[in-house]
Amino acid sequence: ETGVTQTPRHLVMGMTNKKSLKCEQHLGHNAMYWYKQSAKKPLELMFVYSLEERVENNSVPSRFSPECPNSSHLFLHLHTLQPEDSALYLCASSQDPLAPNEQFFGPGTRLTVL
Amino acid sequence: EDQVTQSPEALRLQEGESSSLNCSYTVSVLRGLFWYRQDPGKGPEFLFTLYSAGEEKEKERLKATLTKKESFLHITAPKPEDSATYLCAVPYSGGGADGLTFGKGTHLIIQP
Repeated sequence: ETGVTQTPRHLVMGMTNKKSLKCEQHLGHNAMYWYKQSAKKPLELMFVYSLEERVENNSVPSRFSPECPNSSHLFLHLHTLQPEDSALYLCASSQDPLAPNEQFFGPGTRLTVL
Repeated sequence: EDQVTQSPEALRLQEGESSSLNCSYTVSVLRGLFWYRQDPGKGPEFLFTLYSAGEEKEKERLKATLTKKESFLHITAPKPEDSATYLCAVPYSGGGADGLTFGKGTHLIIQP
């Protein structure tokens, strides 16, 4: 595997379900990110992890819970979601957590909440 | 608050017809400006980073330029495979391991 991978690629869940999204980066980077992309809206930053510590929680509802067990893996745990949470969820990574540098994105997970 | 505005929202060109996409930004401190390409159903693909006014970067038919208030993505003699949504983004002004503030993108269609 190369770059940033995400699983699953597609997910359909009911409002009472619990599911998790997984992201893995094979780039040796030190920062990882979750973004949400909804139709007609710009990408929205959700969470930032730098060296496995969360440094940003961009006013995201508590029904989204991130986890970063090591510098290569990032999870987004989902529970009791709402239909408006349906979107493309993108994971990204970057090299240096202390300097602005390009972020590399995974292919995303298309989430549909029924 | 950092802001990024892209124009036009959509652009349809004939193959070979050159044009430019605009990205206007408002930030307290410019720590870089990034251009990405996004194909339908995929994650954004990194294209360029620009750090200072006057800087230019080129890749195949694309050239990105930067001024103190905006960036342009010039596309020369485009081909149908250049069809995509082009996004620009700036790092949060706060510094550190911050995320990116994105514009809504320009949806570019190149017709054969």
